[in-house]
Amino acid sequence: DTAVSQTPKYLVTQMGNDKSIKCEQNLGHDTMYWYKQDSKKFLKIMFSYNNKELIINETVPNRFSPKSPDKAHLNLHINSLELGDSAVYFCASSQGSPQYFGPGTRLLVL
Amino acid sequence: AQRVTQPEKLLSVFKGAPVELKCNYSYSGSPELFWYVQYSRQRLQLLLRHISRESIKGFTADLNKGETSFHLKKPFAQEEDSAMYYCALRAGGYNKLIFGAGTRLAVHP
Repeated sequence: DTAVSQTPKYLVTQMGNDKSIKCEQNLGHDTMYWYKQDSKKFLKIMFSYNNKELIINETVPNRFSPKSPDKAHLNLHINSLELGDSAVYFCASSQGSPQYFGPGTRLLVL
Repeated sequence: AQRVTQPEKLLSVFKGAPVELKCNYSYSGSPELFWYVQYSRQRLQLLLRHISRESIKGFTADLNKGETSFHLKKPFAQEEDSAMYYCALRAGGYNKLIFGAGTRLAVHP
């Protein structure tokens, strides 16, 4: 059973499109996160939700909008995709500490 | 400022050699530190956390508050240890993780 899952695994799209990435966790955790791993493998937090409430919002362009319909799901919607959005996006969840990561979504913007 | 520094981008060793991946942190509060490992094209997996003081896959890490370090060590590297290793600092009440830039460990036969 996969603890933290993401869909899709790969996403190739054109500049200017809008796309969504979904994340689900079955660990019963209260907190979920989105991280971006760039081409140099650097990992940076983007957002965090606790019980469906936004608690961390790093300096991310407002083209990125997270949505948490319930505490087991955290989706990431990206408007007007740009070349620089190409990266691997990781979802994570935790109940306190530590955090458990999903398999990642590899986004390529052409 | 909250920061995690991993000075080596790449560490290349031969099988059986000792390994030390360096991690230094900057944090004004009481730190909680982790090592995560990412094998090729896989998810990040928790390797160690300093409060556990355990050895996983032969790796150990000791928090040195005086030197603000949390170096990862293994006495005899194996080829299957080849991966990307991230040191991370839990900062603040919202469980925010600050990652270092990562060190790629390459273990050669």
